[in-house]
Amino acid sequence: NAGVTQTPKFRILKIGQSMTLQCTQDMNHNYMYWYRQDPGMGLKLIYYSVGAGITDKGEVPNGYNVSRSTTEDFPLRLELAAPSQTSVYFCASKDNQPQHFGDGTRLSIL
Amino acid sequence: AQKITQTQPGMFVQEKEAVTLDCTYDTSDPSYGLFWYKQPSSGEMIFLIYQGSYDQQNATEGRYSLNFQKARKSANLVISASQLGDSAMYFCAMREGATGGFKTIFGAGTRLFVKA
Repeated sequence: NAGVTQTPKFRILKIGQSMTLQCTQDMNHNYMYWYRQDPGMGLKLIYYSVGAGITDKGEVPNGYNVSRSTTEDFPLRLELAAPSQTSVYFCASKDNQPQHFGDGTRLSIL
Repeated sequence: AQKITQTQPGMFVQEKEAVTLDCTYDTSDPSYGLFWYKQPSSGEMIFLIYQGSYDQQNATEGRYSLNFQKARKSANLVISASQLGDSAMYFCAMREGATGGFKTIFGAGTRLFVKA
């Protein structure tokens, strides 16, 4: 049972480039979340979804977009990468408690 | 407005002693859940304990207990008999119900150092 899988694990982008962070879960969870964690800080909610076709903004949504066309997948899109988006990104899913987290994607914007 | 507050950036505890990590929260939703996660230096998020807003008793999981004081909106984590492996970042989190859109948000964290 893979749980929550995030790809890639590491990525370096140039300013202005775009990319998609992938997140897939095989637990048939309805709720999925994207967080970012800056060094030495807590997790900030970017976007979340309560089911396929439904997404909503979290605490820090600017500069990001998401979609949820299937229950399993919840990709996070960065359209114009900025240095302020350098962070570790965590995807999580749940139905009942607690959240199950992926291993994270470490993203650097240079 | 900040809804989850952890006021202790860092804490030290002697091995085998108990330690309390503070967490206060704010929500108008009558149905919510409170969580504690551990993040070791390797970076993964490890679930420790959960308390529902309607639970009558404080949650316990092994050496972890959650001191839930609903009227004071606090959900402190108590770790008994600290071990060197408990050194890590600890995050308090709150899952809101329908009023809050079912989102889960985290506090800034407390770094715990266990001394031998």
